[in-house]
Amino acid sequence: SAVISQKPSRDICQRGTSLTIQCQVDSQVTMMFWYRQQPGQSLTLIATANQGSEATYESGFVIDKFPISRPNLTFSTLTVSNMSPEDSSIYLCSVERTAMNTEAFFGQGTRLTVV
Amino acid sequence: DAKTTQPPSMDCAEGRAANLPCNHSTISGNEYVYWYRQIHSQGPQYIIHGLKNNETNEMASLIITEDRKSSTLILPHATLRDTAVYYCIVAGNNRKLIWGLGTSLAVNP
Repeated sequence: SAVISQKPSRDICQRGTSLTIQCQVDSQVTMMFWYRQQPGQSLTLIATANQGSEATYESGFVIDKFPISRPNLTFSTLTVSNMSPEDSSIYLCSVERTAMNTEAFFGQGTRLTVV
Repeated sequence: DAKTTQPPSMDCAEGRAANLPCNHSTISGNEYVYWYRQIHSQGPQYIIHGLKNNETNEMASLIITEDRKSSTLILPHATLRDTAVYYCIVAGNNRKLIWGLGTSLAVNP
């Protein structure tokens, strides 16, 4: 298994500001993913972050709004930029050891409230 | 869109088996069936996955029909701590997990 630490666990932010969420894994992993889970909804993939290359964003998500860093095989950050109340969600970091049929492991999430 | 169909909610008595169904009639030959659960205010937790054979681990059993168009996750002796949203996902190699709304399982004392 993989142990994932996400920080902060929760935050309340003013609209127009930005928040950077950190994801630290206890072992090297190939693929890291960032998800959003809006209240009462399921998980939506924001982007895939691979070390050494730019993140790949899903439809509806752009780098200017959700810039991602992946400086090494154990760490990634997601920034939620220029926040509005619609960005209030739980943001989840996920990892997989390889691309081949392995289970995904998740952090506990960051509960973001924008006021 | 999610490629699976699950009932929105189910109830189960504590100590009894919980059988959670999932329909995936459009599953491709190289796609696996994955089950995850999400306990309130936590990140999702992997339970089990399979291709075509039935699988069992310390958490649950996965029964996949011969035509692979549906599956059932079995929690053999449900406890109150098994109360969660259970997600059935089909995905192939190098795949993205596409999450539906899952089944909200309530285990009752």
